[in-house]
Amino acid sequence: QKEVEQDPGPLSVPEGAIVSLNCTYSNSAFQYFMWYRQYSRKGPELLMYTYSSGNKEDGRFTAQVDKSSKYISLFIRDSQPSDSATYLCAMSAGRPMRAAGNKLTFGGGTRVLVKP
Amino acid sequence: NAGVTQTPKFQVLKTGQSMTLQCAQDMNHEYMSWYRQDPGMGLRLIHYSVGAGITDQGEVPNGYNVSRSTTEDFPLRLLSAAPSQTSVYFCASTQTGREQFFGPGTRLTVL
Repeated sequence: QKEVEQDPGPLSVPEGAIVSLNCTYSNSAFQYFMWYRQYSRKGPELLMYTYSSGNKEDGRFTAQVDKSSKYISLFIRDSQPSDSATYLCAMSAGRPMRAAGNKLTFGGGTRVLVKP
Repeated sequence: NAGVTQTPKFQVLKTGQSMTLQCAQDMNHEYMSWYRQDPGMGLRLIHYSVGAGITDQGEVPNGYNVSRSTTEDFPLRLLSAAPSQTSVYFCASTQTGREQFFGPGTRLTVL
C-alpha cells in the first residue's frame, strides 16, 4: 500500500465550479503538507504549503489538513480553464529536505479538467 | 535568473547504454534532488544532496549515480540503461525547504 493515496481522476468540472481534491496518508509522522500544480509537460510548481493541522487560504485556493483522520484537501473556488492541470499532494515528517531523511513523499496526482 | 535547467529535454537510449542527465540551478540553493515520475506513481526521489560534496540515496536509487562537486550542478548518471528506467526525470532545488523549484524535466525512453 502506498504511503500517500490520491485519486488519479480525471476530474471534470464546468468553469466556475468548486474543485475538491484530497489525499489520504498512512504515516502519522507527516507534519508538512504541500500541494503542487503541474501543467502538461512542465515541472510541478508549489501552490500551497501548510504545517500541522488547520486551514490555509490563498486567493481562490484553500488547503485543509486533518491529521486525526490523516486526510488533506485542496479546494479551488471559481475554477477557470487555466486551472486544468494535474495536482499533486506532497508531505514530509520534517522541514522538506532540510536534513537527511526529511524527504518529500508525493501522491500520484489528480488530473483536473475545467471546461469552459 | 534561469532557475533550474535540465538537459537534454528528450533522450532515447538503447538497453545497456549509459548517459548523464544534467541539472543546474542559479539560485545558490544548498539542497538539490532528482525525482522520476511515472504514470500513477507520483514523483519518487532517486538521490538528493544537502550541499556540495554530500549526496544520499532516496527511495529508488538503484541504477543511478550522482555527484555534487559544485553548488550549481547536480548531474544524474544512468550506468547501464534498462527499459524500467523509461520515465520523466525532474531535478529540484530548495534553500529553505519550504518550496522545491523544479526543472522542466527530461523525457527518457530506453528501448
